[in-house]
Amino acid sequence: GDSVTQMEGPVTLSEEAFLTINCTYTATGYPSLFWYVQYPGEGLQLLLKATKADDKGSNKGFEATYRKETTSFHLEKGSVQVSDSAVYFCALRGGSQGNLIFGKGTKLSVKP
Amino acid sequence: GAGVSQSPSNKVTEKGKDVELRCDPISGHTALYWYRQRLGQGLEFLIYFQGNSAPDKSGLPSDRFSAERTGESVSTLTIQRTQQEDSAVYLCASSLVGTSGEIEQFFGPGTRLTVL
Repeated sequence: GDSVTQMEGPVTLSEEAFLTINCTYTATGYPSLFWYVQYPGEGLQLLLKATKADDKGSNKGFEATYRKETTSFHLEKGSVQVSDSAVYFCALRGGSQGNLIFGKGTKLSVKP
Repeated sequence: GAGVSQSPSNKVTEKGKDVELRCDPISGHTALYWYRQRLGQGLEFLIYFQGNSAPDKSGLPSDRFSAERTGESVSTLTIQRTQQEDSAVYLCASSLVGTSGEIEQFFGPGTRLTVL
């Protein structure tokens, strides 16, 4: 079945460092891909998404590009801030309607 | 309220007891999902409601789990004879479904269930 694999954390970075969180997927067809973020004490929020190959999702300085050839959707940010400390989840949805399939999450801690 | 709400926020119960978790979706959202997040794991899909269609129960882990939804409003997730492995955060999400498919899922804050 469909699945998502993302790099295990925790990831600890200094402020202004470059961030990459790897995410690869296995799916039939062409799923929509998502990154969700869970800040401490808060619920899951959609960070960005891409619905077809070569699409780039972006939000709050984060970017991810839908790479069909490598079945990847890696999350990047050029300069992280302390406020980016959170757990990041990669997810896919196989059809236009249906449940999301999530990776295990990657905890990011950014130190000042 | 503007968002998805869930109650209770925390629930501690003894093994073997039944528990009921509640989700209030965003008004007008026809789709509603339940997910489970166990410690150190990603979210696991449990059940999906869409309008008046039969729910997709393919993610329910055992027959001790059941869920209901009244029309396009409140949903309750019931776990009977709870076991320690049921301890998790139970998340509810709702979304609109447009002509081109589903729009973003909005998540509630979750109910943290602890089975002693």
